[in-house]
Amino acid sequence: DAKTTQPPSMDCAEGRAANLPCNHSTISGNEYVYWYRQIHSQGPQYIIHGLKNNETNEMASLIITEDRKSSTLILPHATLRDTAVYYCIVRVVGGGATNKLIFGTGTLLAVQP
Amino acid sequence: NAGVTQTPKFQVLKTGQSMTLQCAQDMNHEYMSWYRQDPGMGLRLIHYSVGAGITDQGEVPNGYNVSRSTTEDFPLRLLSAAPSQTSVYFCASSYSGTRVNTEAFFGQGTRLTVV
Repeated sequence: DAKTTQPPSMDCAEGRAANLPCNHSTISGNEYVYWYRQIHSQGPQYIIHGLKNNETNEMASLIITEDRKSSTLILPHATLRDTAVYYCIVRVVGGGATNKLIFGTGTLLAVQP
Repeated sequence: NAGVTQTPKFQVLKTGQSMTLQCAQDMNHEYMSWYRQDPGMGLRLIHYSVGAGITDQGEVPNGYNVSRSTTEDFPLRLLSAAPSQTSVYFCASSYSGTRVNTEAFFGQGTRLTVV
């Protein structure tokens, strides 16, 4: 699975959009981008995933560049409860693939009041 | 559905003791895995299983054993606890990796201290 690079920390004002970048320059064609977050010492929580098209769900939007070498997770209106560590993970999907998730150190998003 | 249930939530062991961390899921997921998380670090994969009777090693398997006799349960055994195994342990489950929509569900963790 391709490695990912994320900034160690970011701040965001409450009510503003939080844009969390992820670099995955060695991503291959059958690898998807997944985002999880971990709120203080709890188990990680799935947010969203995508292959090459932009994706949106009730929690967030995922923007993947056309060359797929980077992506941005967008929380449109950040709240204090969004303060967490956000993990960007690249995973192979398809025949013979496991669901092995390899976590990096993630980005600590601090939402400020 | 209860999701992923881990027991115990907290445990203190003496060096050299053995114990089993329990993990159970009720979502009929094929894939289960164990992670450990040390302070200020990300999660590291210990062992995983793609189905009953099949297990494999992750990034940091030494000192741990697993087995998968049923789809629902995936216990993690510490053979002879060491202070270096003081950590928070998370169990996760999901459908198999051949599916795209393989959202992983995590338990709430077991906080283990080895003294």
